[in-house]
Amino acid sequence: DAGITQSPRYKITETGRQVTLMCHQTWSHSYMFWYRQDLGHGLRLIYYSAAADITDKGEVPDGYVVSRSKTENFPLTLESATRSQTSVYFCASSEIRGAKDEQYFGPGTRLTVT
Amino acid sequence: RKEVEQDPGPFNVPEGATVAFNCTYSNSASQSFFWYRQDCRKEPKLLMSVYSSGNEDGRFTAQLNRASQYISLLIRDSKLSDSATYLCVVNGAHSGGYNKLIFGAGTRLAVHP
Repeated sequence: DAGITQSPRYKITETGRQVTLMCHQTWSHSYMFWYRQDLGHGLRLIYYSAAADITDKGEVPDGYVVSRSKTENFPLTLESATRSQTSVYFCASSEIRGAKDEQYFGPGTRLTVT
Repeated sequence: RKEVEQDPGPFNVPEGATVAFNCTYSNSASQSFFWYRQDCRKEPKLLMSVYSSGNEDGRFTAQLNRASQYISLLIRDSKLSDSATYLCVVNGAHSGGYNKLIFGAGTRLAVHP
């Protein structure tokens, strides 16, 4: 029962580089999400996807790109990394049915941009 | 005003104590409420869902007061393993068919021997 996995778990990159964070879930959940978590802030939604080929912006989408060609994968790309994108990134998934919209999280990717 | 507000703590309590956390939310139309637990440097994990006036799961009791727009989490007989950050989560603004979840910044609990 793999659930939801993220890779890499840790990444150090330089300013200006492109970085892709991977997220994979085995539950066949329709919804997938990307959050970032920084000290002093709660989890902030970057992008989400309701199904394959359907994505939408969250609260802090600038500087990020997502795609969802398959239900189980939801990669997040930082097109040109900046130091302000140093953060912990969590992927989550959910099978939203009526009022039951709890989300389940992957282990996170700790990204440092130097 | 933040959409979901929590006392950041930390709450330092001895083993066996009862501790309560409160959380207030701003969107009166919110329908889903959760408590998540997050250990240091780990992912948030669902602790309890709160869909009606409240519910109990072992030592944990969650209460919802819609009129006052707050949620509480009560932990009885605290264990060392309860030390973590507790996140209050509420569904918020409707966006493209999806009511996004809003996460509070969390309340830290430290249980000591």
